[in-house]
Amino acid sequence: DQQVKQNSPSLSVQEGRISILNCDYTNSMFDYFLWYKKYPAEGPTFLISISSIKDKNEDGRFTVFLNKSAKHLSLHIVPSQPGDSAVYFCAASVQNYGQNFVFGPGTRLSVLP
Amino acid sequence: EAQVTQNPRYLITVTGKKLTVTCSQNMNHEYMSWYRQDPGLGLRQIYYSMNVEVTDKGDVPEGYKVSRKEKRNFPLILESPSPNQTSLYFCASSGGFGYTFGSGTRLTVV
Repeated sequence: DQQVKQNSPSLSVQEGRISILNCDYTNSMFDYFLWYKKYPAEGPTFLISISSIKDKNEDGRFTVFLNKSAKHLSLHIVPSQPGDSAVYFCAASVQNYGQNFVFGPGTRLSVLP
Repeated sequence: EAQVTQNPRYLITVTGKKLTVTCSQNMNHEYMSWYRQDPGLGLRQIYYSMNVEVTDKGDVPEGYKVSRKEKRNFPLILESPSPNQTSLYFCASSGGFGYTFGSGTRLTVV
């Protein structure tokens, strides 16, 4: 059973609009979350993180929201750009147990010009 | 430049022929890990290492071996590859707050 779920395999958004990527987790011990972005033929690259002591973290066009009671986080990209087209992975860890991250299956975002 | 280097990028091999995928990092990270990426399954952890001479199994370790004789290197060994190990492999290292990934090795076992 997957501990980190991304139920939308793909998402298409018009350039300039908001992209919302969702992630759900089942392990209530998770307390640190990351989003990674992956282009074809490249390794995943770190995008943004959030600790469970916060419910929001922003970095430029990217904002991650965490709802601990719902075990849900979301990544908002505003405004979306064609260069944002990639696969996005959500990852979670239990910080006191070291640096092992559990990854979701990914969501492929396509931003249409 | 801080990076994780994997080699080779692409590899086609035959069933049963031993192979090694190398991984090296230049960030003096203690933690390193191997993942495989398969469609619909995301990134699944194969093995990880918390430090030199310390390795442990991840979620899908069957058919793989690793070693960590020095901090910078963490090779992945397939003693007898099988077609179900055809996948995209990523090495990663971490200094504490997330991974730096290599560019990946696409392995095909025929």
